[in-house]
Amino acid sequence: DAGVIQSPRHEVTEMGQEVTLRCKPISGHNSLFWYRQTMMRGLELLIYFNNNVPIDDSGMPEDRFSAKMPNASFSTLKIQPSEPRDSAVYFCASSRTLGSGANVLTFGAGSRLTVL
Amino acid sequence: SQKIEQNSEALNIQEGKTATLTCNYTNYSPAYLQWYRQDPGRGPVFLLLIRENEKEKRKERLKVTFDTTLKQSLFHITASQPADSATYLCALGRNNAGNMLTFGGGTRLMVKP
Repeated sequence: DAGVIQSPRHEVTEMGQEVTLRCKPISGHNSLFWYRQTMMRGLELLIYFNNNVPIDDSGMPEDRFSAKMPNASFSTLKIQPSEPRDSAVYFCASSRTLGSGANVLTFGAGSRLTVL
Repeated sequence: SQKIEQNSEALNIQEGKTATLTCNYTNYSPAYLQWYRQDPGRGPVFLLLIRENEKEKRKERLKVTFDTTLKQSLFHITASQPADSATYLCALGRNNAGNMLTFGGGTRLMVKP
C-alpha cells in the first residue's frame, strides 16, 4: 500500500486565491481526518469523516474552509479566499477503527501551504 | 478547557542513555493514549497505544506508562541512538468522542553520539 497520499506537497499562493488540498486515504480505512500544524498551535484537528460522512467540523476555523469526501478514496480541503494566517502544514490521516473503538492514524506527508 | 502538555523545550541526551518524555493532561478523561514520532518534513508515525486500564506497555526499546490518577503518561526510549532523534507527540482519545484524537505540542528529542 502506498499509504496516505496528499497533493500538492508544497503550495505558494497569494492572499485571496483559492487553495485546494487533496487526499487519498488508505484503502479499507473508514475514517479520514484533516489536521493543521503550526509552530504556535501544534496539530489541530479541523474535520473528520467516517464512512465519507462529515462527523465533526468544529475545528474548521471559519467559513472560508470547507472539506468534502465524495467517495471512500478521495477528500479535498478548500480554502477560499486564502489569508496569510492560513500558512501551515496541512495533514490528512486515515484510520481503521479497532474493535475496542480506538483509532490508530496513518498520516500523509502533508501539504505545506504558504499564503503571501 | 482540556489541555495536553508536553515539554516544549528540546531534550538533549547522550547516546546509550534512557530518554524520558512526559505528557500531562487536564480536564480530560481519555480512554486511551497514543505516542507518535514525527521527523522533519514528514507526517507523524504511530508508535504505541496504551489504554486507561493498562499501566505499562512495551515495544522493543520503547516503554509507555499511563497514570490516570496523576493524569500523566511517560514515554521511555532505552539505549537511545542518534536515529531516535525526532519530535514525539502524545495523543489522547475517547471512545465516545467519535474516535477523535487530540494531540499535544510534541517534544523534540536530540540524541548525541
